[in-house]
Amino acid sequence: QQPVQSPQAVILREGEDAVINCSSSKALYSVHWYRQKHGEAPVFLMILLKGGEQKGHEKISASFNEKKQQSSLYLTASQLSYSGTYFCGTPWRGDNAGNMLTFGGGTRLMVKP
Amino acid sequence: DGGITQSPKYLFRKEGQNVTLSCEQNLNHDAMYWYRQDPGQGLRLIYYSQIVNDFQKGDIAEGYSVSREKKESFPLTVTSAQKNPTAFYLCASRVRANQPQHFGDGTRLSIL
Repeated sequence: QQPVQSPQAVILREGEDAVINCSSSKALYSVHWYRQKHGEAPVFLMILLKGGEQKGHEKISASFNEKKQQSSLYLTASQLSYSGTYFCGTPWRGDNAGNMLTFGGGTRLMVKP
Repeated sequence: DGGITQSPKYLFRKEGQNVTLSCEQNLNHDAMYWYRQDPGQGLRLIYYSQIVNDFQKGDIAEGYSVSREKKESFPLTVTSAQKNPTAFYLCASRVRANQPQHFGDGTRLSIL
């Protein structure tokens, strides 16, 4: 069962902050985050493993709450280059080893000047 | 430079025809994947291969077939049984579990 992302879309002005959420109905052992620009391949952002770690990538960070079975992606002081669709991926069905992923429906982020 | 190469970039299929999408990687990754993406949607797993000559069906394998005769290559065949093949197809690979998946640039398949 695929994770649920919210919001589905968000529009920001350059310099504003945003939070993207990813929730699962199943126990999570890891969460993977990717960004895809229109017509291009997804690009890896970060992986969070069980243990509540918070990781960062440029001005993008994420948290992982395994008890709540959710992860949040934080984009601070957004730049125009942050525009795109953000996907979270969680272990596919019973594959807790993280070999296969199931992806959420995506969150479309548009940053305007 | 290491990476994943998908070809062709655009492909057109006639009714009743099988077509094969190519995916080659020189990253020396063991695992390879095929995903389908419909407009405005997320990625759905078609097939996964952990090693040569071994592969596992994903959520939407019906109408598709794969082979993994070499570590570097993981071609996807869209058969005539797949009645709605129009989509963006992405191939990916990774070195081991819970490591980043690296994606190719994709193939856009349309029906003539």
